[in-house]
Amino acid sequence: ETGVTQTPRHLVMGMTNKKSLKCEQHLGHNAMYWYKQSAKKPLELMFVYNFKEQTENNSVPSRFSPECPNSSHLFLHLHTLQPEDSALYLCASSQDSRLSAGAYEQYFGPGTRLTVT
Amino acid sequence: KNEVEQSPQNLTAQEGEFITINCSYSVGISALHWLQQHPGGGIVSLFMLSSGKKKHGRLIATINIQEKHSSLHITASHPRDSAVYICAVRETSGSRLTFGEGTQLTVNP
Repeated sequence: ETGVTQTPRHLVMGMTNKKSLKCEQHLGHNAMYWYKQSAKKPLELMFVYNFKEQTENNSVPSRFSPECPNSSHLFLHLHTLQPEDSALYLCASSQDSRLSAGAYEQYFGPGTRLTVT
Repeated sequence: KNEVEQSPQNLTAQEGEFITINCSYSVGISALHWLQQHPGGGIVSLFMLSSGKKKHGRLIATINIQEKHSSLHITASHPRDSAVYICAVRETSGSRLTFGEGTQLTVNP
């Protein structure tokens, strides 16, 4: 257990559906991250939130919409996805994401395996 | 070309063997991470280092900043070490991590 939980663990959705992924961290961290891991490709950063503010959007299509209501919770709202969006979506947290704060370890959740049909 | 290159891509070893996984990067970094990903997908952070060497149990990580190279060593390997090992760097120019493609390690009994 890393202290970061994700639900659901598996999700199958049609291209017209709307669904949300949830991430919760119990570590008292201030930064939370969404990553995408497609088959045979390196992890890709999608979004970073630090103290509830979005600090990075790595050119992610608008069909992915993040929400961070507080430092412990992070959501990824999905709508009108494409089959190529099928991937493992990983959430992570760390003490702080700012470069000026120094480098902190990131703690990862178990991921949500998303299949878009 | 990825900014973070790992070698080998795949590695098969017999139980008890000494294992080395390499990571080279082409950018200035403030820290380098070694991560372990098991078949279910969950990722565990093994090490974060910016200089020298760190050891945890049978795992040892080293980094040479001048040569932009890091190695992860596993002593007395065990089948439960079978996983994908991922190198990631935090660039000095930003806060994001850039990941290597990972090394699939299989340790046979």
